[in-house]
Amino acid sequence: GQQVMQIPQYQHVQEGEDFTTYCNSSTTLSNIQWYKQRPGGHPVFLIQLVKSGEVKKQKRLTFQFGEAKKNSSLHITATQTTDVGTYFCAVGNQFYFGTGTSLTVIP
Amino acid sequence: EAGVAQSPRYKIIEKRQSVAFWCNPISGHATLYWYQQILGQGPKLLIQFQNNGVVDDSQLPKDRFSAERLKGVDSTLKIQPAKLEDSAVYLCASSTHAPVYGYTFGSGTRLTVV
Repeated sequence: GQQVMQIPQYQHVQEGEDFTTYCNSSTTLSNIQWYKQRPGGHPVFLIQLVKSGEVKKQKRLTFQFGEAKKNSSLHITATQTTDVGTYFCAVGNQFYFGTGTSLTVIP
Repeated sequence: EAGVAQSPRYKIIEKRQSVAFWCNPISGHATLYWYQQILGQGPKLLIQFQNNGVVDDSQLPKDRFSAERLKGVDSTLKIQPAKLEDSAVYLCASSTHAPVYGYTFGSGTRLTVV
């Protein structure tokens, strides 16, 4: 299956700080999806990106698809404790999941 | 709309025993997926169904795992015999044929093999 790397694996931030996670592929992607998984929960769909250079926003979350469609990022502005969880990207026709970035927000 | 239903929620078995998981996808969702998520890792696709046909089962350990989706609705995933390394959460997800709104996951079944 397709493989994607996510960095960082873990991130601890003070509440109010920004957070960014990156998803990188060695091959060109047709699309990419982002999911959030709360501790003990199941993945919840956040967004899908399809177009080269696409940028989408959801409140404090900004998602970007690289121009070459080989990487993507998720940026959270002014983190809150409710943002705690693991963020996964998923790629390919069968949506293979990346390794995830675990976010801890310190109040 | 009702979500993806999975049962049981938890299961503890001894190694070499067999176990089965059940999934009822969202009504009208043609595509159904089974994922295995080992603690600390991302979900790993085991099998994808389109209606009652298998689209991708390349990562399903077929010597011990089997899955079926009779009538294109409910699905069952079976492990026989179970190994210690099968301890994981088994997630079922469903989507429309063109999942532009992503997958909807069930709450999963947490399997512990002792």
